[in-house]
Parts: sequence; structure tokens; C-alpha cells
Amino acid sequence: NAGVTQTPKFRVLKTGQSMTLLCAQDMNHEYMYWYRQDPGMGLRLIHYSVGEGTTAKGEVPDGYNVSRLKKQNFLLGLESAAPSQTSVYFCASSYSMHPGKGRGNQPQHFGDGTRLSIL
Amino acid sequence: DQQVKQNSPSLSVQEGRISILNCDYTNSMFDYFLWYKKYPAEGPTFLISISSIKDKNEDGRFTVFLNKSAKHLSLHIVPSQPGDSAVYFCAASAQKSSGDKLTFGTGTRLAVRP
Repeated sequence: NAGVTQTPKFRVLKTGQSMTLLCAQDMNHEYMYWYRQDPGMGLRLIHYSVGEGTTAKGEVPDGYNVSRLKKQNFLLGLESAAPSQTSVYFCASSYSMHPGKGRGNQPQHFGDGTRLSIL
Repeated sequence: DQQVKQNSPSLSVQEGRISILNCDYTNSMFDYFLWYKKYPAEGPTFLISISSIKDKNEDGRFTVFLNKSAKHLSLHIVPSQPGDSAVYFCAASAQKSSGDKLTFGTGTRLAVRP
């Protein structure tokens, strides 16, 4: 009964380093999302995917890349980390992008987050 | 341009009393609204939702009210319990517009005093 699992939970990087955040879901959801949460800003969508092999930009995509090679996994990459990318990152998944459509009112299910600090 | 606004960053209430969390939105295309609850070091969890065809939805101690003319929704928790202490996010979606996603407010931190 894992739901959405994010790896790692914490990470400290130096400016210019690269890393990949992994999100895995075991609910057979089609849609997956990456958000960042910053103080006073709520959750902002970085990238999302509507199915295996597809990705799309969200509200704040600059500086990030994503890949969805397998339906259950959604990877978020930082090629050259910057201090402005210090944040808490959340992955989410859902049956439908529009809550209320298909399979009842299925909302997005979130992982527990990755706290990323860039020095 | 904050399309979903939670103007109260924090709220403190006594155990057993009512907690009222407010949310305003500006995008008239939003037609589905959700509340998420978040504890420290955990991800947000879905709490309750409401479609724009309704003005009220109730689930146990939680009730969400929607006033479309005022573009305002509120979450009522009665009675409030110490375990309700968390950050509450309001979110909105536009079902009719393909490609639209959830837009979140900035959150309200609720503290329920024993």
C-alpha cells in the first residue's frame, strides 16, 4: 500500500551539480505531476505527464527536465542546480487530469516530498 | 497573478469550536474545487471537494461551501480537534478546459488548542 514514493527524501547540492528525483506510483495512474512548494507560494506545477512516454510543461518548468519511460515512474532532473531551486518537491499522480472525470472524483495523490537545498 | 488566494496564513481555534478556512479565486473558468490537508514532513492529502453545480458538500465534520457569485469557498470543521492542526490548501480546476491542472492557494496553517 505504498501509493506515491519519492526518492530521496533529503538532498544537499552545490551550485552547478546535477541530480535526478525519482517518483514511483503503484496505483496504475495515467497522470503524474511534479510540484515545488516554497514559503508563501503554495504548490506550483513544474511538469506533468498524461501517460507513458509523454511530458508537458507546467507553470514553472525552467531549469528542470522530466522523463516518463515507464508508466509507474516519473523522473525530475536538474541539469545545473541553482540556489533558486532550493525547495520542497512533491510528486503526485491521478487517474485523470480533471478531478471529477472518470473513475469517480479521483483527486491527485501526493508523495511525502523531497527537501532539496542548493548551496 | 495568484488565481487562488488564501488570505489568512494562519488561524488558531479552541478545541470543540468551529474552524472556518477561506479561499477566493479569480478565474471564472474554475468549476471544481478541492481542499487538501498537509502535516509537516508529509505530502498533501485530499480532504473534500465540491463541483460548481453545488453550493455545499459535507463529509463528517468537514463541510465546504461555494459561493460562485462571490468566487469564494470556505471549509468548515466542526467540532475542531487537535489532530486537525495542519496546513490546509485550497485548489481549483477547470474541467472544461483541456490541459488545465490544479491551481493551489498558498495555504492556511490551522492550530487547534486543547
